[in-house]
Amino acid sequence: DGGITQSPKYLFRKEGQNVTLSCEQNLNHDAMYWYRQDPGQGLRLIYYSQIVNDFQKGDIAEGYSVSREKKESFPLTVTSAQKNPTAFYLCASSIPGSTSNEQFFGPGTRLTVL
Amino acid sequence: QKEVEQNSGPLSVPEGAIASLNCTYSDRVSQSFFWYRQYSGKSPELIMSIYSNGDKEDGRFTAQLNKASQYVSLLIRDSQPSDSATYLCAVNRVGFGNEKLTFGTGTRLTIIP
Repeated sequence: DGGITQSPKYLFRKEGQNVTLSCEQNLNHDAMYWYRQDPGQGLRLIYYSQIVNDFQKGDIAEGYSVSREKKESFPLTVTSAQKNPTAFYLCASSIPGSTSNEQFFGPGTRLTVL
Repeated sequence: QKEVEQNSGPLSVPEGAIASLNCTYSDRVSQSFFWYRQYSGKSPELIMSIYSNGDKEDGRFTAQLNKASQYVSLLIRDSQPSDSATYLCAVNRVGFGNEKLTFGTGTRLTIIP
């Protein structure tokens, strides 16, 4: 089955801790994205990557970091510098260079700061 | 002005009726437009995409695009309780590469049995 997986489904973080959210895809998509969704709000772009070993900041990158060492994987680290990290985190992928840029989402990770 | 605007709702529609969801966008050179359905606690699911002016139909769903008015809509015919969800409008902005979508905040739709 082709698709996007995210783990864990739920994650709890203590103040001052860094945590890493996993995103894996076997769709052979070159582009991958991380979004954050807060209650009653739309999706806000954190980071995106169009190709291995390259990534760009989105609209709300402060307090987050990413890596793209493999085409299939795009992990997101929420650092202690992110002051309000409690949110629903969504990973997506697409075929870059197409005019459509249809993005497909993983099931999400719900992060809660204790 | 928000880049992509949607009425947050909630929009209540009787079962079997037509649900009409609207979205306006501010960037006149936007090229691609998408509707995602998001059930509570779940991730968004792509249900429609449209790139040219006019209507595009897929089953009970029709997307309508009017670039002159910077307006895109989604019609759901014969609404079912399973259509109750939040619907997100997304726009691909030209000039920032193909990699960035901008999302509206979503319209919450409730189908009343």
